[in-house]
Amino acid sequence: DGGITQSPKYLFRKEGQNVTLSCEQNLNHDAMYWYRQDPGQGLRLIYYSQIVNDFQKGDIAEGYSVSREKKESFPLTVTSAQKNPTAFYLCASIPRPLAGGPHEQFFGPGTRLTVL
Amino acid sequence: DAKTTQPNSMESNEEEPVHLPCNHSTISGTDYIHWYRQLPSQGPEYVIHGLTSNVNNRMASLAIAEDRKSSTLILHRATLRDAAVYYCILRDGGTSYGKLTFGQGTILTAHP
Repeated sequence: DGGITQSPKYLFRKEGQNVTLSCEQNLNHDAMYWYRQDPGQGLRLIYYSQIVNDFQKGDIAEGYSVSREKKESFPLTVTSAQKNPTAFYLCASIPRPLAGGPHEQFFGPGTRLTVL
Repeated sequence: DAKTTQPNSMESNEEEPVHLPCNHSTISGTDYIHWYRQLPSQGPEYVIHGLTSNVNNRMASLAIAEDRKSSTLILHRATLRDAAVYYCILRDGGTSYGKLTFGQGTILTAHP
C-alpha cells in the first residue's frame, strides 16, 4: 500500500542534542512538507520541498534543517538551536505542486518528540 | 493566505447530521476551500475541497455560500468515529507550493 511513513512514533532526547526525524513516501509525490504541532494548536509549516535537491523555509524554520537527496525521502533535523523542540511533527506530500490547483495533501502518522 | 473562522467546539449525536460552519470573508477568487480532520495523535486526513459549487463525496458534503464568504461541512450521519478536530483551510490555487495554513479548528465531540 502507498503512503507516508514516519519513524519513530515517539522520540526522547536530551537537551542540546541534535535529532533527525525520518519521513519516507512511496506515492511518487514531488512535493514534501514538514509541520510542527503544539498542544491544542493547528499545524505550522517548517520546511517544504517541491523537487529533489531543492527546499524552502516555511514559517518557523529557525533551529531546523532538511535535505532532499531522494524523491521519496525528506528527513528533518531538529538542532540544538531550536529553543523549544518538544512537539508533534508531521510530514506530508502532494503529487505535483508546479501544476497549481487544489492538491489534496497526504499526511504521515507523526513523530512525537520530547526533549528532556 | 486568507483567514478562516470556526467555532472552537461542537457536539454531535450519533446517526444525526452535523453542520460545521466556517467563515472566510476575505477569500479571493483563486482560493480553494479545503477541509481536513485530525483524530487524536494522528496526522490530518483530507475530507473534501471545493471552489464555487457544492461538493459531495463519500465522507461528507461541502456547501459553499453564493458569495463564497462562508461554507459548511456536512456530515450526514455522524458516528463516534467522526470525533476529531476539523480544520477549514483556504489555499490559493494559483500558488505552486501547496502550503496549508491551519487554524485551531473545531473540536467535534460525538455522543452515542
